[in-house]
Amino acid sequence: AQSVTQPDIHITVSEGASLELRCNYSYGATPYLFWYVQSPGQGLQLLLKYFSGDTLVQGIKGFEAEFKRSQSSFNLRKPSVHWSDAAEYFCAVARSGGSYIPTFGRGTSLIVHP
Amino acid sequence: EAGVTQFPSHSVIEKGQTVTLRCDPISGHDNLYWYRRVMGKEIKFLLHFVKESKQDESGMPNNRFLAERTGGTYSTLKVQPAELEDSGVYFCASSPLGKGLNTIYFGEGSWLTVV
Repeated sequence: AQSVTQPDIHITVSEGASLELRCNYSYGATPYLFWYVQSPGQGLQLLLKYFSGDTLVQGIKGFEAEFKRSQSSFNLRKPSVHWSDAAEYFCAVARSGGSYIPTFGRGTSLIVHP
Repeated sequence: EAGVTQFPSHSVIEKGQTVTLRCDPISGHDNLYWYRRVMGKEIKFLLHFVKESKQDESGMPNNRFLAERTGGTYSTLKVQPAELEDSGVYFCASSPLGKGLNTIYFGEGSWLTVV
């Protein structure tokens, strides 16, 4: 069974600083990988996804993530954080091919200081 | 195109009462999923429908939870009787069936508070 580890429960950054949220997955084959964001009082929004091809994936809101097979990682990055980025971020992994069920990490809460 | 819609968006009920959450998937999406997030914890899978059939209900916590998807369109998740630990956000998601680069689309969630 696949699993996801988000080692950081909380991350605090200053507005304008760079950001990297860590995600490690466990899955035997090439996975489908996702990052979702949940802003306060909102639902889950897909930031980006990796299925195959280029290992550097661009998403919405200026986010990107890099798939590193050797490290089983899919870290999320943003060069300059805005106050509106304060939210919870969830990494998810799913089995490749056909119907699948994503497994989520426990999330990382991002706090942005002015 | 309408996204996944969930109703109600917020619900506050007393312990022992019954609540029914509804999910309308994106039209044509045969896969429908229910997830739950208890405050501060991970988003946990509850169950998966393919059309009207339960494909996987391994995540359902106990028999107080009943999910249905009659006709393979919308789905309901009933909690009866509700307990305090059932409080959280219940997410519904849908995706098209078949091979390929599928993506799951999530609704905005139904926020349940049991007091």
